[in-house]
Amino acid sequence: GNSVTQMEGPVTLSEEAFLTINCTYTATGYPSLFWYVQYPGEGLQLLLKATKADDKGSNKGFEATYRKETTSFHLEKGSVQVSDSAVYFCALSESDSWGKLQFGAGTQVVVTP
Amino acid sequence: SAVISQKPSRDICQRGTSLTIQCQVDSQVTMMFWYRQQPGQSLTLIATANQGSEATYESGFVIDKFPISRPNLTFSTLTVSNMSPEDSSIYLCSVEGTTNTEAFFGQGTRLTVV
Repeated sequence: GNSVTQMEGPVTLSEEAFLTINCTYTATGYPSLFWYVQYPGEGLQLLLKATKADDKGSNKGFEATYRKETTSFHLEKGSVQVSDSAVYFCALSESDSWGKLQFGAGTQVVVTP
Repeated sequence: SAVISQKPSRDICQRGTSLTIQCQVDSQVTMMFWYRQQPGQSLTLIATANQGSEATYESGFVIDKFPISRPNLTFSTLTVSNMSPEDSSIYLCSVEGTTNTEAFFGQGTRLTVV
C-alpha cells in the first residue's frame, strides 16, 4: 500500500537558518504530493503541492520538488523565521480526490530568535 | 476556500459512552472526510462521507464503531461509540475545495476518554 515517511522531529533552528525536512513516499500509481502545516493553536492548512514529476511547489518562501526517480518531496526554506515554528506534514493523494490523503508522521519545527 | 466549524472543540468522556462530533461547512461540498490523529501520531483517514450514500470506511474502521451521517451538502457527524481510552485522539473533519485543488480542515475535536 501507499506510505509516506518523513524525518522525525523536533527540528530546532535559529532564525535565518536553512530548513530541510525530508519526505519520501511509496505509491502504486502517480500520486499528487502535498505539504500541510499546522501552526500552534490553528488548524491544518495547505502549504504547497505538486501534481506530477518535476513539478515544484512553492509558497511563503518554502519549496518542494516532486522527484519521481527518488520518490521524494523534500521541503526547504532558505531563511526561517520564528513564525515558521509549526508542525509540517507531508502527504500524498493517489485518487482523483485531493481530500483523501495519506499523511506522514509530521515534523515539529522550532525556530528560536 | 471553505470554512469548517467542528463541535465540540474538546470533550472528556467516560468509557462506554458515545460522542457525536459535528462538522459544518460554509459552502456545499460533495465529499467530506473524517480523520483521526492519535497522540503523537499522524492523521489517519477514517472514512469518506458523501451525501445520499453510506460512508466508505478505510481498513481498520467499521461503521458500528464510527457511524457517520451526511444529511446534506454542508453538514456531517461522526459518532465515536462505546468509547475506550484508546479512542482518545483528535478527530478532524475535512472537505475538498470546490475547485478540487486542496483539502480544508476543521480545527479538530480533542477527545479524552477516562
